[in-house]
Amino acid sequence: GENVEQHPSTLSVQEGDSAVIKCTYSDSASNYFPWYKQELGKRPQLIIDIRSNVGEKKDQRIAVTLNKTAKHFSLHITETQPEDSAVYFCAAKAVDYGQNFVFGPGTRLSVLP
Amino acid sequence: DSGVTQTPKHLITATGQRVTLRCSPRSGDLSVYWYQQSLDQGLQFLIQYYNGEERAKGNILERFSAQQFPDLHSELNLSSLELGDSALYFCASSPKLAVYNEQFFGPGTRLTVL
Repeated sequence: GENVEQHPSTLSVQEGDSAVIKCTYSDSASNYFPWYKQELGKRPQLIIDIRSNVGEKKDQRIAVTLNKTAKHFSLHITETQPEDSAVYFCAAKAVDYGQNFVFGPGTRLSVLP
Repeated sequence: DSGVTQTPKHLITATGQRVTLRCSPRSGDLSVYWYQQSLDQGLQFLIQYYNGEERAKGNILERFSAQQFPDLHSELNLSSLELGDSALYFCASSPKLAVYNEQFFGPGTRLTVL
């Protein structure tokens, strides 16, 4: 089955700096990769996703890149703000009705003012 | 607010007991997923239902069971509870089976087993 690894487990950056979180997956059949943000005590919320036929996707300060050959994808947050502080989860999914999302263990991002 | 509701918000019970967690998906969503999130851990997929039928199973213990009813709400039953079952349980829904559908998460039920 699919296995998703995520690094780093914790990340501290100064406000205004960039943050990068990396994930690797094992199942070459995976072709959908969402990223979720979870604030303390709250539900996970989708912030960006990418499909396997795309190498990069941007949404304002957030971008995701995908390298299918190497089986890894990354989340990039630029101009970080204190409200970006949260736990970020990557996930991988094979678009096959029998498959489901496999989540990485999460990265706790702290943006220091 | 994602439109997914979960009840109760908090549940405190004792070891050996049985509890039922309830989830109502977003209006029109046919697929319901259950996840377990232990303290400072990631999301562990438990089970998925689509339009009343079980579609996929993850790392769900035999003591746990779930079902989806004709009105599409779902219940997760946890029995013979152990201390290690204490966790946040999330339900998520999506419109159809898979493809590139986003999952919308409910607010979760925090279960504490004493």
